[in-house]
Amino acid sequence: QVQLQQSGPGLVKPSQTLSLTCAISGDSVSSNSASWNWIRQSPSRGLEWLGKAYYRSKWYIEYAPSVKSRLTLNPDTSKNQFSLQLDSVTDEDTAVYYCVRLTGEGLLDIWGQGTPVTVSS
Amino acid sequence: DIQMTQSPSSLSASVGDRVSITCRASQSVSNHLNWFQQKPGKAPELLIYTVSSLQSGVPSRFSGSGSGTEFTLTISSLQVDDFGTYFCQQSHTAPHTFGQGTKVES
Repeated sequence: QVQLQQSGPGLVKPSQTLSLTCAISGDSVSSNSASWNWIRQSPSRGLEWLGKAYYRSKWYIEYAPSVKSRLTLNPDTSKNQFSLQLDSVTDEDTAVYYCVRLTGEGLLDIWGQGTPVTVSS
Repeated sequence: DIQMTQSPSSLSASVGDRVSITCRASQSVSNHLNWFQQKPGKAPELLIYTVSSLQSGVPSRFSGSGSGTEFTLTISSLQVDDFGTYFCQQSHTAPHTFGQGTKVES
């Protein structure tokens, strides 16, 4: 049974960096069919895809244009996890952040439990 | 990006009611349309994929239909466990965008 377990702080100060980690069990971050995504949800922006990492003989990382200049996704094969790092956060980054598996068939089938993040001083 | 628009934004229904939710895409997504259910404080869960295929464990009272730009999620007889928020999502063109959600409440 595939599970995603998220960890990271729920409060970040403006202009600082938000860091979250998603630990994978029951699958591999180096899967040749799945990709590993971050999606956030807020009342103002709804469900917003942020980026994904996947391995197809080499690593590929893709980012949403809205956060591309501030976002870094990093897969860690030694720990079978992937992480999100969002720089220079503002209150518009306040949201619940989810890590999600996307299957080879294009289905967001496994979600982490979600991490509510508040940007506030 | 493809815009997904759901209607209504919310609806009030009773146990046993037939409920339908519409999702419209700003351009054709062929049959790459999925539905999610979300309960308060929980992550969304995949309910239906590629328009009408039920995810494992989903009751048969849920069904999906449509093609191209217009899609419908139907609950044939609403149960207590079905109250929550429903989202459509297109997986045709990156980024895979979501509708704004339809809240089903009593």
